[in-house]
Amino acid sequence: GAVVSQHPSWVICKSGTSVKIECRSLDFQATTMFWYRQFPKQSLMLMATSNEGSKATYEQGVEKDKFLINHASLTLSTLTVTSAHPEDSSFYICSAWTGGSYNSPLHFGNGTRLTVT
Amino acid sequence: GESVGLHLPTLSVQEGDNSIINCAYSNSASDYFIWYKQESGKGPQFIIDIRSNMDKRQGQRVTVLLNKTVKHLSLQIAATQPGDSAVYFCAENSKAAGNKLTFGGGTRVLVKP
Repeated sequence: GAVVSQHPSWVICKSGTSVKIECRSLDFQATTMFWYRQFPKQSLMLMATSNEGSKATYEQGVEKDKFLINHASLTLSTLTVTSAHPEDSSFYICSAWTGGSYNSPLHFGNGTRLTVT
Repeated sequence: GESVGLHLPTLSVQEGDNSIINCAYSNSASDYFIWYKQESGKGPQFIIDIRSNMDKRQGQRVTVLLNKTVKHLSLQIAATQPGDSAVYFCAENSKAAGNKLTFGGGTRVLVKP
């Protein structure tokens, strides 16, 4: 079945540093990937839509200069949290769309737990 | 804005019993729905989906029911097992929304031995 892999699974960084999270589709090509953020005991909130070969589309309230997204190939999207601060600590999850239309399942990676100290 | 919501935040169920998780949605344009299971520290795992041209769909031990009249979605888990303990999310999509899933608030299912 479809597999989406994220790396790292957890990361601790100091305030002011940048962190890169990778999202790979392992057995399928993903022209579109999505990045979500999830705070404890809350639901998933869409941050941005990552499109292969073009600029990402960010949801309202998400700073594009802080959360840099690159989707350079059909199997890899990266999210870089720049100048991270403690309030950026969260669970970041990527997902990829395997189907050819909106009404097909979105498969998720296992998430990256970011802790900023 | 429109959103997908859940009635019960926590559901305790005896092992072996059936579980029913409910979800209300407000976007009448939504025509595709998915149930996800999320275990602690992991990403959501696809369970089952349903399109609006159906009112029922069955999988292995799970059944999803869709009532478009009252904008209600439910997930039934038969013979609930300890491994079913997790948070369950419903999510909805529509052609207008493209691939942007809207997630409900989640229901935690606790299976008692």
